[in-house]
Amino acid sequence: NAGVTQTPKFRVLKTGQSMTLLCAQDMNHEYMYWYRQDPGMGLRLIHYSVGEGTTAKGEVPDGYNVSRLKKQNFLLGLESAAPSQTSVYFCASSYTRRTRIPEGYFGAGTRLSVL
Amino acid sequence: QQPVQSPQAVILREGEDAVINCSSSKALYSVHWYRQKHGEAPVFLMILLKGGEQKGHDKISASFNEKKQQSSLYLTASQLSYSGTYFCGTGTSYGKLTFGQGTILTVHP
Repeated sequence: NAGVTQTPKFRVLKTGQSMTLLCAQDMNHEYMYWYRQDPGMGLRLIHYSVGEGTTAKGEVPDGYNVSRLKKQNFLLGLESAAPSQTSVYFCASSYTRRTRIPEGYFGAGTRLSVL
Repeated sequence: QQPVQSPQAVILREGEDAVINCSSSKALYSVHWYRQKHGEAPVFLMILLKGGEQKGHDKISASFNEKKQQSSLYLTASQLSYSGTYFCGTGTSYGKLTFGQGTILTVHP
């Protein structure tokens, strides 16, 4: 049981480049989330999804897009990376309809630097 | 809107107790508590759902006051392993989960 897997673990981009971060979970969770973590800012919600085919904006969605085509995957895209997007990105998942217990699991994180 | 945690930092000696508070300006459906060690991912501690309860996890427990829109995390007889940053997250009935800025807890021998 792998839990929540994020790829890649590290990435360096140049300003203006694009990339996609992949989050995969094998727990049949309904809810998935993308957060960014910056020093002193806590965990800030970028986008989230409450089921396959659904997405919603979080607190800091600008400059990011997401897709949830399959229940187990949640993709975060940066179309044109900016230095302000240098951060550690965490994916999380929670909640199964069967157990109705919304305990959460985080991935190991992706460290992204935009030069 | 992010919940507000207090204090921002706590320094303890082993065996001492601590309380971390979390408050929200919006009505709470659920409160989630996580602990993060430096350089690692946050780890789930417990969740409290609307309906009122107090939960425990070893010597760590939490309460949820719906009227005051607050939750508190209680760490009893702290151990060195309790050091880390504690985050509270507030959830809505439609699945949105927002975290506070975190409380840094340091336990010294």
